[in-house]
Amino acid sequence: ETGVTQSPTHLIKTRGQQVTLRCSSQSGHNTVSWYQQALGQGPQFIFQYYREEENGRGNFPPRFSGLQFPNYSSELNVNALELDDSALYLCASLSYNEQFFGPGTRLTVL
Amino acid sequence: QQQVKQSPQSLIVQKGGISIINCAYENTAFDYFPWYQQFPGKGPALLIAIRPDVSEKKEGRFTISFNKSAKQFSLHIMDSQPGDSATYFCAASLESGGSNYKLTFGKGTLLTVNP
Repeated sequence: ETGVTQSPTHLIKTRGQQVTLRCSSQSGHNTVSWYQQALGQGPQFIFQYYREEENGRGNFPPRFSGLQFPNYSSELNVNALELDDSALYLCASLSYNEQFFGPGTRLTVL
Repeated sequence: QQQVKQSPQSLIVQKGGISIINCAYENTAFDYFPWYQQFPGKGPALLIAIRPDVSEKKEGRFTISFNKSAKQFSLHIMDSQPGDSATYFCAASLESGGSNYKLTFGKGTLLTVNP
């Protein structure tokens, strides 16, 4: 077990809606990253948070946003959902220079 | 632009055989190269990682070979077992220079180990 949990496990939304995904990591892990993994593809970096500030962003539009809280839990928010947003969303917590992934949230956009 | 290219896309190996997965990268600034194993319905799990100051790293049945001049690295799984059947991802990142640990992943290799 990596100590990284995500909720919900699965989620179904319709195009145009908004979604919030949550991640919780072990105490003291102050860096969290979010990745999008489309079916049959490798994960793609969305952004990273360090001490509650965004610290690096991949090639994703502004409708993908995030938050990190003082307890190091994190949220990924996606506005105006599109069909192509259907994917597994992974968060990763940094510990001793290694990234440990949670089980992911499977988002389906209809 | 695909910065990390992984091959093959799929691989079938007999139990006890050697599985070899290859990756090539473009960004010479990359200085951390992990391999992840992913089972269906699970997140990727760190398997083994290497930094460019060494050419090989071995952990149990898993070995990474690293060729800095060729910008290539590979994963060797010795004595492959049916339980090794999973998707394997290589990745690369810029570890130095701060806390940005963005991982760039390959597209993955689906390994099937037949009993």
